[in-house]
Amino acid sequence: EAQVTQNPRYLITVTGKKLTVTCSQNMNHEYMSWYRQDPGLGLRQIYYSMNVEVTDKGDVPEGYKVSRKEKRNFPLILESPSPNQTSLYFCASRTGGWQPQHFGDGTRLSIL
Amino acid sequence: GQQLNQSPQSMFIQEGEDVSMNCTSSSIFNTWLWYKQDPGEGPVLLIALYKAGELTSNGRLTAQFGITRKDSFLNISASIPSDVGIYFCGASGTYKYIFGTGTRLKVLA
Repeated sequence: EAQVTQNPRYLITVTGKKLTVTCSQNMNHEYMSWYRQDPGLGLRQIYYSMNVEVTDKGDVPEGYKVSRKEKRNFPLILESPSPNQTSLYFCASRTGGWQPQHFGDGTRLSIL
Repeated sequence: GQQLNQSPQSMFIQEGEDVSMNCTSSSIFNTWLWYKQDPGEGPVLLIALYKAGELTSNGRLTAQFGITRKDSFLNISASIPSDVGIYFCGASGTYKYIFGTGTRLKVLA
């Protein structure tokens, strides 16, 4: 089954404790992205990647890092999480620039 | 920066009614997408539009890519209770997608 898998689905942690949210897709897609979803603000892009070792900032990259060492994986790293990063996060992938995004089921992060 | 204005923000309708929502922008896009998001899940693609003026249906859903390439609408006919959820538009001009803030639909039986 074609899918985008995120882990964990839920995480409660404390300020400053590094965390990684993993994202994996089995569709051999080149493009992958991370979004955060906040009430009233919709989906905002954090980072995206057009291929292995090619990443770029989205609209809200501060406080986040990503890496793309393999085509299927695109982890989101919060080196020193803060409460304003409490949000619902989605990973997405697609084949090409104008093709539809396929989303994972989301990761709800709470930073205390 | 680019943004999509989606309206309405929320709708309460009776089962069986038709629904219409739209997204507009001051920018031109090459692709318009419509997604539905259920609670606790990620957005699921409903319809993708690639050509100005294109009208596409998916069951009771119909979406159109505006002729100016700056807008799109989604219609749902004869709504049913499982249509409840948040509907998002998305648009892409180059490598990047942007999304509307969503229309929250509630269907009253």
